Amino acid sequence: SQQGEEDPQALSIQEGENATMNCSYKTSINNLQWYRQNSGRGLVHLILIRSNEREKHSGRLRVTLDTSKKSSSLLITASRAADTASYFCATDSGTGNQFYFGTGTSLTVIP
Amino acid sequence: DAGVIQSPRHEVTEMGQEVTLRCKPISGHDYLFWYRQTMMRGLELLIYFNNNVPIDDSGMPEDRFSAKMPNASFSTLKIQPSEPRDSAVYFCASSLVQGMTFFGQGTRLTVV
Repeated sequence: SQQGEEDPQALSIQEGENATMNCSYKTSINNLQWYRQNSGRGLVHLILIRSNEREKHSGRLRVTLDTSKKSSSLLITASRAADTASYFCATDSGTGNQFYFGTGTSLTVIP
Repeated sequence: DAGVIQSPRHEVTEMGQEVTLRCKPISGHDYLFWYRQTMMRGLELLIYFNNNVPIDDSGMPEDRFSAKMPNASFSTLKIQPSEPRDSAVYFCASSLVQGMTFFGQGTRLTVV
């Protein structure tokens, strides 16, 4: 399966701390995307990183991609209670435009 | 643009009934995806279209499921007959080629 696998499955931190989530995948990709999903809601797109990129930033978010290790990380700096959600990575198949999702990391930020 | 629009947001139906889920992708996007999310199986890709043509339906669980995209602005996912194990949240998503994929709010289906 091409599905990404997030690690850890669950993460609980204090407000203001940084949160790091990792994603590993199995085959070559063109792109990797990170999403957030609040409980009972839809998925919100956070960042897309292409296979020729190593790092991207968006506000308090920093995503890295290491294609040699087939892994990516999402760093949320100075976390807030509103960041509490599940975070998913999605990888393409390398040959098509479809994306496959991992099982997600459940992040809880304690005020 | 209002984003990907799905309807209905919630659907409760009895086992054996036909269910039709609807999706309007973002204007100009040429890829459309249907996903299903459950606690047990996570997010599963069911089928996706490119320029209204089904490209990969290998994720469709069985023949009771069918999807159509009659034009660039509309797609349906139909389940006939529905079963309790089909209960899930169904998401539609759209994108441009190799671009960000945007999701609708989902349809929460409950089959009793």
